Amino acid sequence: DAGVTQSPTHLIKTRGQQVTLRCSPKSGHDTVSWYQQALGQGPQFIFQYYEEEERQRGNFPDRFSGHQFPNYSSELNVNALLLGDSALYLCASSRVREANTGELFFGEGSRLTVL
Amino acid sequence: DAKTTQPTSMDCAEGRAANLPCNHSTISGNEYVYWYRQIHSQGPQYIIHGLKNNETNEMASLIITEDRKSSTLILPHATLRDTAVYYCIVRPISGNTPLVFGKGTRLSVIA
Repeated sequence: DAGVTQSPTHLIKTRGQQVTLRCSPKSGHDTVSWYQQALGQGPQFIFQYYEEEERQRGNFPDRFSGHQFPNYSSELNVNALLLGDSALYLCASSRVREANTGELFFGEGSRLTVL
Repeated sequence: DAKTTQPTSMDCAEGRAANLPCNHSTISGNEYVYWYRQIHSQGPQYIIHGLKNNETNEMASLIITEDRKSSTLILPHATLRDTAVYYCIVRPISGNTPLVFGKGTRLSVIA
């Protein structure tokens, strides 16, 4: 049973460019959350997707957008990249009917470097 | 912002119990305490959660004080593979509230 998979694992972009990160949730999971983790910090919540809609959002600008597909996989898009967007981007999946458990399954992340 | 306070770092000898404290003095009656850990270059991993009773699973034990203002995560026999950053998180019981991570405690298990 595959866990949460993310791609790419590493990428380098320049300021002003756009990036798309991808996530496949754990089998049987229907909810995907995205987190940003800067070096030396804990993960920060970006947004959560369920039934192909953004359900909750953290304190991130509109440059950060996402999408969820009918197969529950998800994309995170960041436009007009800034140096400060350099971070590890983590995807986490869960089942909405088990939301009360608070148990998330995380992927290993996509490390984005903006030059 | 995170509602918990944890020491920045701790050391533990291999084979000994690792006791990681967490202060959550403003916890509400409807909030659970969760623990996650993040091994270097990996995503966070769920460990355990509890409301007010002590909890134990195959990974760890969680001891919550009677007033619920603090808790301790116990790894009974720490190994080198337990070296990681450990996050203590407070979250409401119901709904789909996102986890709010602080900076956690960096645990180093030493041979």
